[in-house]
Amino acid sequence: AQTVTQSQPEMSVQEAETVTLSCTYDTSESDYYLFWYKQPPSRQMILVIRQEAYKQQNATENRFSVNFQKAAKSFSLKISDSQLGGAAMYFCAYRSGTSGTYKYIFGTGTRLKVLA
Amino acid sequence: EAGVTQFPSHSVIEKGQTVTLRCDPISGHDNLYWYRRVMGKEIKFLLHFVKESKQDESGMPNNRFLAERTGGTYSTLKVQPAELEDSGVYFCASSQQDFGAYGYTFGSGTRLTVV
Repeated sequence: AQTVTQSQPEMSVQEAETVTLSCTYDTSESDYYLFWYKQPPSRQMILVIRQEAYKQQNATENRFSVNFQKAAKSFSLKISDSQLGGAAMYFCAYRSGTSGTYKYIFGTGTRLKVLA
Repeated sequence: EAGVTQFPSHSVIEKGQTVTLRCDPISGHDNLYWYRRVMGKEIKFLLHFVKESKQDESGMPNNRFLAERTGGTYSTLKVQPAELEDSGVYFCASSQQDFGAYGYTFGSGTRLTVV
C-alpha cells in the first residue's frame, strides 16, 4: 500500500524568505500524481501545485515550486517570498494513476508559520 | 461558481447519538469524496461517489457510517450511533470527470466532537 510521509510537523519562515517543506512517499507504481494542498486557518483546502509522475520537469506555480525526485520518491515544496498571510497547514497527497484507484493518500501535514 | 458547501461547520454530540453531515458539491461534478482527519493524524479516505453510485467505499470504518448521494447531487454521511473515536474533521470534495487527477475542490469541513 502507498504511504505519504511529512516529517516536519511544524516549520517557521521569516516574511519574504524561502522555505522548503518535505514529503516522501512509498509506492511500487510508476504512474501517479502528487499534490500539495494548503489549508489556511478555518478555511478550506486549496490546491497549490500538482505533478504528474511521468513528467520529469518540476512543476511551478507562481511562488510555489516542487523538487520532484522520482527515484528517491521525494516531492518537496519550495515557497518563495513567504507572506504574512501565508500561514497554513500544508498537506502532501498521492493519487494512483491506475484506472479504478482514485483515492488520495495524504501525509499528516506541516504547519507553516510566517514570522514578521 | 459556488464552491463545495458542507454543514454543519461544527457539531458536538453525545456518545450514542446520531449525526448527519451534508455536502453540496460543485454543480456538474460527478465525483464526490468524503475524507476524515482525526486530530494530528493524516487525512484518510472514506468513500467516493460517481453520481449516485458508490465507486469505492473501502475507507468506511464500520457499519455505523452510512453515506448516500440521492440523485447524484448532494451527499449525506450519517454516523449512528456515534462513538468517541469518531471525533475529527470530515471533509467533502468534488471533482470533474478526471476523478481527481487534476485535483479536488474541498469544502471547509465539519468538525465533529463526540463527548
